[in-house]
Amino acid sequence: AQSVTQLDSQVPVFEEAPVELRCNYSSSVSVYLFWYVQYPNQGLQLLLKYLSGSTLVESINGFEAEFNKSQTSFHLRKPSVHISDTAEYFCAVSPYGGATNKLIFGTGTLLAVQP
Amino acid sequence: DAGVTQSPTHLIKTRGQQVTLRCSPISGHKSVSWYQQVLGQGPQFIFQYYEKEERGRGNFPDRFSARQFPNYSSELNVNALLLGDSALYLCASSETGQGNTIYFGEGSWLTVV
Repeated sequence: AQSVTQLDSQVPVFEEAPVELRCNYSSSVSVYLFWYVQYPNQGLQLLLKYLSGSTLVESINGFEAEFNKSQTSFHLRKPSVHISDTAEYFCAVSPYGGATNKLIFGTGTLLAVQP
Repeated sequence: DAGVTQSPTHLIKTRGQQVTLRCSPISGHKSVSWYQQVLGQGPQFIFQYYEKEERGRGNFPDRFSARQFPNYSSELNVNALLLGDSALYLCASSETGQGNTIYFGEGSWLTVV
């Protein structure tokens, strides 16, 4: 079985400050790793994903995440946030193998960017 | 190209009633999944269908059922609604194969009163 832990339910930060959203996972098998973002009253949008290769992955809007196998973590970072980054961020894993292509989500972290 | 589309966007039902939610995947996507997102929580996997067959089921009671049609669209049915079924129901689609990006619709908000 797999589980995802996002310890911070809410992260307040001032505009142009750096931010890190933490994600740890537990799994008995190898997993793919994802970050999704949910803006108010909208569905989920993929921010970035790690499948294999370089452990540092980047999104087109300045976010990056690093896969750390030994710490079973996939923390999301941005060096300088904007007001428009205010949203709920979900970390998720998808196990290798099996017949199901499903995502197991954490409980989410609300990034609240203040002017 | 159209993304994943869901209908209805909002609905209110009474306890004990039944509800059907509909989903059209992205063109070319044969895999459709359903998730339940209760307010303040992350989405929970309900079902995955691929080529009209159920490929996976989450920890939900038998009151929840789904099917996929030849055009790959899908319906989620929930019988004997409970207050606790109030949630955002998300449909997602993807191409064949694990690790492919899973694209979500904007969801159907179900309120049970």
